[in-house]
Formats: sequence, C-alpha cells, structure tokens
Amino acid sequence: EVQLVQSGAEVKKPGESLKISCKGSGYSFAKYWIGWVRQMPGKGLEWMGIIYPGDSDTRYSPSFQGQVTISADKSISTAYLQWSSLKASDTAVYYCASGVIITTSFDYWGQGTLVTVSS
Amino acid sequence: EIVMTQSPTTLSVSPGERATLSCRASQSVNSNLAWYQQKPGQAPRLLIYGASIRATGIPARFSGSGSGTEFTLTISSLQSEDSAVYYCQRYNNWPLLTFGGGTKVEIK
Repeated sequence: EVQLVQSGAEVKKPGESLKISCKGSGYSFAKYWIGWVRQMPGKGLEWMGIIYPGDSDTRYSPSFQGQVTISADKSISTAYLQWSSLKASDTAVYYCASGVIITTSFDYWGQGTLVTVSS
Repeated sequence: EIVMTQSPTTLSVSPGERATLSCRASQSVNSNLAWYQQKPGQAPRLLIYGASIRATGIPARFSGSGSGTEFTLTISSLQSEDSAVYYCQRYNNWPLLTFGGGTKVEIK
C-alpha cells in the first residue's frame, strides 16, 4: 500500500528555522516526483515545488523560490520542506503529494503538517 | 505563468441535482488538467486526470470534460457526501503545476 506519512504539527516563533518531513512507503520512492502544497487557514491549495528523489532535480513555484528549500533523502524514502527564518505568514497546513499510478498528477497525499508561527 | 480561474466560488445544489463547475486556463493546457476534491480536515483526493479520466475508485457520477482553456467538472446527481471544495490543476508543463482557486459545493 502506497503511503506518505508526514511529521507532526509544529509551533514556532518568527525567525526560527524548521524542517518538516514526508516519508514514503509501498512504492519505489526514488522514481516518482514528490511535491509540496501549502494551504493557509481557510484558503485554497498552492503548489510550492517538487523534487525527483532519484537525482534531486528540484523545481519551485516562482511564489516560493528562495522562501523554502525542498530536499529528499532517497536512502530513507523521505522528502523535506524547510525554512531558514519563519514568518507569521508561513502559518498553514503543508501537504506532500506524489504521482505514483498517475504520474502527472498527485494521486497520493500525506495527511498534512500544521505549522503555526506565532510570537 | 498560466493562471487557472474557477467559477463559481460557491455552488449550492439540491441533493440529486446536477452540479457544474468551471475551470478556465489563461493559455491552452491541452488536456493536461486534473480535478481534486477536498473535504474539511482532509487531504485532497484526485478525481479526474487527463481532463476526463476518472481516477481509481471515483464514482461514475463525477465526469470531466473540456480541452484547451475551458474545462468542466460535472456531478450528475449530487449526494450529501459530495459537499466539498473542488480544485482544478494544470500540468501541461509537468512537473510545474498550478491550482485553481477552488469551488465550494454546498448541499442546498
């Protein structure tokens, strides 16, 4: 069974750093693109970026380029999303998602990680 | 950058009635369009890809149509469990993606 399991909720202060994770299982993690999607409170889905774990080829939405870093460790089937200096506006639920059966869409999603940034 | 615009923002439909959701692309995306359903507190779920192909396990009452810049998601006979927000997503330049703003479907 394909699963994407994300790390737990985080509460951080502005200016702090953070790295959240998404662990894949039940499929060849390195062979499928895995992306990150932001959902701010009460708002829609925003595509942030995507990585191919096999060679770490990474693409970013222009809106998120330079704001976050996406990485992956194929040896432990885990993708990451990190911030070097959080802002209150980073408060959101972050989803990882992958296209495994349908390789050009996201047919598998993580459960989401709530990140709260507040002083 | 291609912009995806969904309409209406909110749609209120009686059970058993048809719901028609629209998604418009600012440039042609051919048939490289997917639809997702998101219920409160849940991750999105893939409904349709390739503009009109139902994903595995998706009920036949959900159908997608269109190509180029105009797309439609139709729920032929709305059920109470279909209350959700629906998003379109273009992937014509995979792996670069864009979501639409979403349409909330309410049960009247």
